[in-house]
Amino acid sequence: IAGITQAPTSQILAAGRRMTLRCTQDMRHNAMYWYRQDLGLGLRLIHYSNTAGTTGKGEVPDGYSVSRANTDDFPLTLASAVPSQTSVYFCASRLFGGAGDTQYFGPGTRLTVL
Amino acid sequence: LAKTTQPISMDSYEGQEVNITCSHNNIATNDYITWYQQFPSQGPRFIIQGYKTKVTNEVASLFIPADRKSSTLSLPRVSLSDTAVYYCLVGEGAAGNKLTFGGGTRVLVKP
Repeated sequence: IAGITQAPTSQILAAGRRMTLRCTQDMRHNAMYWYRQDLGLGLRLIHYSNTAGTTGKGEVPDGYSVSRANTDDFPLTLASAVPSQTSVYFCASRLFGGAGDTQYFGPGTRLTVL
Repeated sequence: LAKTTQPISMDSYEGQEVNITCSHNNIATNDYITWYQQFPSQGPRFIIQGYKTKVTNEVASLFIPADRKSSTLSLPRVSLSDTAVYYCLVGEGAAGNKLTFGGGTRVLVKP
């Protein structure tokens, strides 16, 4: 089934550890996004990539890094995790080239930093 | 960025029509209006998108007045499974980084 996959589904991580959240899409979408969603709140954009080889900062980029080596994969790395990064992380992709296109979201990764 | 304002929560009953209005006073000329639905422990799911007037699909209708400073999502004859959070987004199609999620509207459908 075409779509977006994220791994892991959930993770408990000790503070100070490095962690990479994986995101893969098979829809050949050019743009990809990482959001975090804290309990009871809306989604906030962390980083985005409009095309392979380029990335940009969203609303809350501090403490996170991304790379976009190819069209399908968009990993999110926490270099040194802190408890405030406890959240649910959603990856999304989008095919754009004209106005009015939409984002497709993955199932999310629930991350707990202790 | 076009900021959106929508009610925090709404209650309804099965079979009723639910209308959620979103305000976006500083919407730009090339911004589209998109609504997403999110169930607990799932990622948001696209419902409907429009630019002006009225758009209808198999799930919902979207009403956009001429000044485009607000929009109303209409869910006809809701069922218990429509209980979710609904997000209104306003943004430019060609630059995804301009899409901003607000707090959303929690819709509770009661039997």
